[in-house]
Amino acid sequence: QVHLVQSGAEVKKPGASVKVSCKASGYTFTSSEVHWVRQATGQGLEWMGWMNPNSGNTGYAQKFQGRVSMTRDTSISTAYMELHSLRSEDTAVYYCARGVGKNSNAFDNWGQGTVVTVSS
Amino acid sequence: QPVLSQPTSLSASPGASARFTCTLRSGINVGTYSIYWYQQKPGSLPRYLLTYKSDTDKQQGSGVPSRFSGSKDASTNAGLLLISGLQSEDEADYFCAIWYSSAVVFGGGTKLTVL
Repeated sequence: QVHLVQSGAEVKKPGASVKVSCKASGYTFTSSEVHWVRQATGQGLEWMGWMNPNSGNTGYAQKFQGRVSMTRDTSISTAYMELHSLRSEDTAVYYCARGVGKNSNAFDNWGQGTVVTVSS
Repeated sequence: QPVLSQPTSLSASPGASARFTCTLRSGINVGTYSIYWYQQKPGSLPRYLLTYKSDTDKQQGSGVPSRFSGSKDASTNAGLLLISGLQSEDEADYFCAIWYSSAVVFGGGTKLTVL
């Protein structure tokens, strides 16, 4: 059974960085892309980017270019998303999701979410 | 104008059918794209429902009942999610998404009320 387990809630000050982890189990970690999606309270889903755990290749939403970094450690089947220069508008639940299907853009399994609060 | 537009809300009765629309911005041809659909119940994480590009190119999510299906309406340039035999447990937010211009784009979501 596929599981994606994320790290715990974070509280950060404006200007700081946050790094969220996503540990995969139940499948071959390097066989599927990992995507990151966030959701502010009461709002919709916002895609941040993807990472290929096999190659390390990444692609980021234009909005986050230069401010986000997605990496992985294949030895422990874990993906990471680091967001820099945090501002209050970054307060949200951050999800990792496994991408499957023809173009790896169907998110069939999701992590439980990590609450990131940015506040002075 | 956003890439994907969804009505904010939809109401239907138990046992009836619900039809969700996901309208692509003018100039973006729905026939070219796979449409992904997700369900999110209050306080829960999103759940993948299905992918629909055509009747011969579609995928149902694991464990998703067949009363959830996808389609397209070329005349309105929209992807459709159809739920038949509505149940109270179907009350949730429904999001569509496409891969567009090297990014995943989500619609704003439609809140389904079953009353």
